[in-house]
Amino acid sequence: DARVTQTPRDKVTEMGQEVTMRCQPILGHNTVFWYRQTMMQGLELLAYFRNRAPLDDSGMPKDRFSAEMPDATLATLKIQPSEPRDSAVYFCASGTGTSGWDEQFFGPGTRLTVL
Amino acid sequence: GENVEQHPSTLSVQEGDSAVIKCTYSDSASNYFPWYKQELGKRPQLIIDIRSNVGEKKDQRIAVTLNKTAKHFSLHITETQPEDSAVYFCAARYFGNEKLTFGTGTRLTIIP
Repeated sequence: DARVTQTPRDKVTEMGQEVTMRCQPILGHNTVFWYRQTMMQGLELLAYFRNRAPLDDSGMPKDRFSAEMPDATLATLKIQPSEPRDSAVYFCASGTGTSGWDEQFFGPGTRLTVL
Repeated sequence: GENVEQHPSTLSVQEGDSAVIKCTYSDSASNYFPWYKQELGKRPQLIIDIRSNVGEKKDQRIAVTLNKTAKHFSLHITETQPEDSAVYFCAARYFGNEKLTFGTGTRLTIIP
């Protein structure tokens, strides 16, 4: 049963530190999405990629956040410098990108706490 | 861009009764409407979806209805069970656009 994986599962850091979250999409999927989930904002789309190319990062604070796909098996989301308001659960999701009805498969999430 | 509103934000239902969650969307071009279930501490998972060429879809105890004219869609869960307790998210997008817009979620609690 193929699944999206994310590391780390939990991260506690101090304000100002760099945070890197990693995602391995399901093999063969060519769309990757990063979401942030907070109690107040629900699921917010931060960025997404198709075939490793960034298509939309309008939901991401670009002064401190960056998202990349170094290769087809790895997506990264970096925050530098981190702030307490970045505390949230960050989900990665992937899809096949082969039809307009694609299901998005979510990873287990990274719970980030910035002190 | 698309905007999806979801109601209610919390819902408590007696076990065995039915639960209904409603969503409205703003972009008339949207034609794909999935529902995700997220159990506490877990990842969101797709439970049912509907395309705009049908008005209703059922899968055992869950069903989704779509009213394109009014731009709203609903999730219906019948004969609710304790394992139905979770947060449910609706979403919308149009064909060919991978970007989903999610509602704010409904926390459903089934009372034994």
